[in-house]
Amino acid sequence: QSVLTQPPSASGTPGQWVTISCSGSSSNIGSKTVNWYQQFPGTAPKLLIYGNNQRPSGVPDRFSGSKSGTSASLAISGLQSEDEADYYCAAWGDSLNGYVFGTGTKVTVL
Amino acid sequence: QVQLVESGGGVVQPGRSLRLSCAASGFTFSGNGMHWVRQAPGKGLEWVADIWNDGSKQYYADSVKGRFTISRDNSKNTLYLQMNSLRAEDTAVYYCARDVWHNSAYYLDYWGQGTLVTVSS
Repeated sequence: QSVLTQPPSASGTPGQWVTISCSGSSSNIGSKTVNWYQQFPGTAPKLLIYGNNQRPSGVPDRFSGSKSGTSASLAISGLQSEDEADYYCAAWGDSLNGYVFGTGTKVTVL
Repeated sequence: QVQLVESGGGVVQPGRSLRLSCAASGFTFSGNGMHWVRQAPGKGLEWVADIWNDGSKQYYADSVKGRFTISRDNSKNTLYLQMNSLRAEDTAVYYCARDVWHNSAYYLDYWGQGTLVTVSS
C-alpha cells in the first residue's frame, strides 16, 4: 500500500511542460529527500532524480525535481515522445522503517 | 559497470517456498545496503525488504513480515530473498536494487532486470 500519492495520469503535447505531484507526510517527504524513477513497460525502474533535485549522469536537464514541506514535484520541460512512461516518487519512511513509493503516474505524449 | 542479475523466479503453488538470488558485480558489494522491490502485474512498485551492507540489520514490509527473509553473502556478492508461505498476492516481478547514501540523500540507484514469481495452483 503506497503512502505517497500521485495523480494516475498526466499528458501533454511535444514541447509542453508537464508536472507530476507527490504528496506524503512528515515521516517521509517532510523529513527525507525525495527520489523519482522512470519506468518503461517491461523494464526495470531507472533513477531519474535523487536528493530532491539532483540528476544522475546521463539524465536530460529537461527533467527537474523540487520539494516543499510534505510534497514534491517532478517537472518535464520540452516534453518528448520518448518521455512516455510511468513515473514514481519515493522516499524513506520513518514510520514504516522502509522505502516508500508513490502510486505512480503514467505520462502520455499526445 | 554495476550489474545486478536476479534469478530463481518461477511458478509455485500457494503455501510453498521459493528463494530468489541477485548476483552483483561491478562494485564493492559489501559497501552498500541492498533491497528487494516487487511489482504485481499492472500495478505500482512495492518495497519488500532491505538489508544493511554488513547484513546486521534487515527491515521488511508488513505484507511479507514473518514470511520472507532477506540475506546476503558478501563473499559471493549475492543477495537472497527466501519466500515462505507464498500467497497469490505475492505474484509479481521481483527486483533487487542497490542503495546509496550521499550528501544526506538516500536512494536506490541501480536495479536488476527483475525475476517473475507466479503463485498459482
